Amino acid sequence: EVQLVQSGAEVKKPGESLRISCKGSGYSFTSYWISWVRQMPGKGLEWMGRIDPSDSYTNYSPSFQGHVTISADKSISTAYLQWSSLKASDTAMYYCARRDPVSWAFDIWGQGTMVTVSS
Amino acid sequence: DIQMTQSPSSLSASVGDRVTITCQASQDISNYLNWYQQKPGKAPKLLIYDASNLETGVPSRFSGSGSGTDFTFTISSLQPEDIATYYCQQYDNPLITFGQGTRLEIK
Repeated sequence: EVQLVQSGAEVKKPGESLRISCKGSGYSFTSYWISWVRQMPGKGLEWMGRIDPSDSYTNYSPSFQGHVTISADKSISTAYLQWSSLKASDTAMYYCARRDPVSWAFDIWGQGTMVTVSS
Repeated sequence: DIQMTQSPSSLSASVGDRVTITCQASQDISNYLNWYQQKPGKAPKLLIYDASNLETGVPSRFSGSGSGTDFTFTISSLQPEDIATYYCQQYDNPLITFGQGTRLEIK
């Protein structure tokens, strides 16, 4: 079965660092870009950026450039989203999604990781 | 950046109704437009890709059309299980943007 499995929910304090993960299975991990999508409570979907796991090349939305880092370890079929200093406004659900190389659509999604940042 | 204007933001319809959602791009995006369904507490699900292609396994009551800047998503006969929020999404390599979403409720 093709799937993306994300790490569990996190509760952090402002200023702390965090890395969440997204593990692909059932397909060739290096053949599909992985994107990260933010959904703040009660709000819509926001594309944050993407990585090509084959060479770790990244692109970021201007809204998120410099605020997060996307990386990947192809040896373990895992992509990451990390923050060096969290803010309360980072509280959200974060999804990883696989981009189909032909249709450019997000055909497989992770289950989501809820990140709560509160003092 | 390409902006997507999706309307309406919410919609109430009866079972069996034909439902239409529109998405307008701020510039020509050819057919680089996808539609997703998100049910409460769940990850989004791809329904339509490249403006008009039905994803495998998706019921045929869902359809999409359009090209350039104006796109339409249609449910031909609304079913109770279609209650969800629907999003359009464009890809202007390498940047991607989503519409604001349309919350669909049963009347």
